Amino acid sequence: ETGVTQTPRHLVMGMTNKKSLKCEQHLGHNAMYWYKQSAKKPLELMFVYNFKEQTENNSVPSRFSPECPNSSHLFLHLHTLQPEDSALYLCASSQSQGTGNTIYFGEGSWLTVV
Amino acid sequence: GQQVMQIPQYQHVQEGEDFTTYCNSSTTLSNIQWYKQRPGGHPVFLIQLVKSGEVKKQKRLTFQFGEAKKNSSLHITATQTTDVGTYFCAGPPGGDSWGKLQFGAGTQVVVTP
Repeated sequence: ETGVTQTPRHLVMGMTNKKSLKCEQHLGHNAMYWYKQSAKKPLELMFVYNFKEQTENNSVPSRFSPECPNSSHLFLHLHTLQPEDSALYLCASSQSQGTGNTIYFGEGSWLTVV
Repeated sequence: GQQVMQIPQYQHVQEGEDFTTYCNSSTTLSNIQWYKQRPGGHPVFLIQLVKSGEVKKQKRLTFQFGEAKKNSSLHITATQTTDVGTYFCAGPPGGDSWGKLQFGAGTQVVVTP
């Protein structure tokens, strides 16, 4: 079980489609993250939000657009993706501030771009 | 920038054997965290080490943080099939760099019965 829930769990989309990934955390955390996990690559941090404010954009292409309406919800809007964007997208949350933050991951959204 | 490297990338272990996986950072870490990801699952937090030379145990798992706080190890004794998965280490660089956990590429562990 996880306190971070992601929907949908699986998504297949064409390169011209527009879709969104949703994440909700039930842990009372103030920081939320999007990570990308591709085969044979380390986890890649994409975006960080702290108290709804974006504090990190790790040089992510503009075809990925995050939205954080409140500390409990995080979206990743997808448009005109490329096949190489196919990956597992993990949402995560943590307590805000401090160097000892533990990251709690959701179960991920498997994205396939065709 | 900071790099976190893990070796080995793959570890095939006979059930009942011991093994160790290593994590090395190019910079000093304020703390080191270990996560486990089962096949088809998501990373799950295992433990955090903060002090130089710190050693922590979780049943058959022993975690160690190096004296210089630039490396760490995970030792598993009497490996079981439930140990299958990928083990990631992660750490923020020294200082207040919360949220910028740098993950290693992971050690994928396969256990042969």
